[in-house]
Amino acid sequence: AQSVTQLGSHVSVSEGALVLLRCNYSSSVPPYLFWYVQYPNQGLQLLLKYTSAATLVKGINGFEAEFKKSETSFHLTKPSAHMSDAAEYFCAVSDTGYSTLTFGKGTMLLVSP
Amino acid sequence: GAGVSQSPSNKVTEKGKDVELRCDPISGHTALYWYRQSLGQGLEFLIYFQGNSAPDKSGLPSDRFSAERTGGSVSTLTIQRTQQEDSAVYLCASSLVLVAGVEQFFGPGTRLTVL
Repeated sequence: AQSVTQLGSHVSVSEGALVLLRCNYSSSVPPYLFWYVQYPNQGLQLLLKYTSAATLVKGINGFEAEFKKSETSFHLTKPSAHMSDAAEYFCAVSDTGYSTLTFGKGTMLLVSP
Repeated sequence: GAGVSQSPSNKVTEKGKDVELRCDPISGHTALYWYRQSLGQGLEFLIYFQGNSAPDKSGLPSDRFSAERTGGSVSTLTIQRTQQEDSAVYLCASSLVLVAGVEQFFGPGTRLTVL
């Protein structure tokens, strides 16, 4: 069965600092991987997805993620945090042949001035 | 264009009552999904529809939960005899097709509180 582990339920950074949110997956087949963001009282919005076309994936709002098969990781990064990035971030996996998503527990990103 | 909409946005009910949650997917999207988001369990998949058909109901937490979709569009998630552990945010999503890797578009959710 597939699963997703997000290290750190909360991550705090200063405005302008590097953002690094960690995600490791477990899947028996090459997966599809996603990062979603959820702002307070809103639904989930897709940041980026990996579908085997390229290991470095660029998404919206300056975020990117790198697929590393040897490490079974798909960490999310952004060079410089903005206050508006404060939200909860979810990593998700979908095996080939299945479109339903298995989510990690989420990481709350806190950005201080 | 219009996104996925859900109603009501908030629902407070008493233990033992039945509730219906509604989802309007993006027009033309053939696949529809229900997820539940709770403090203890995180985001968990409940059920998906391809057209009006739900081939796999094993993700539903109990037989008190049921879902239907009509006309390949609107879906209703029904919880009978609600329990306090049903309190959660219920999220609906839709995608153009039922294919792994395709983007799912999420609605804002219905926050259910069972007293």
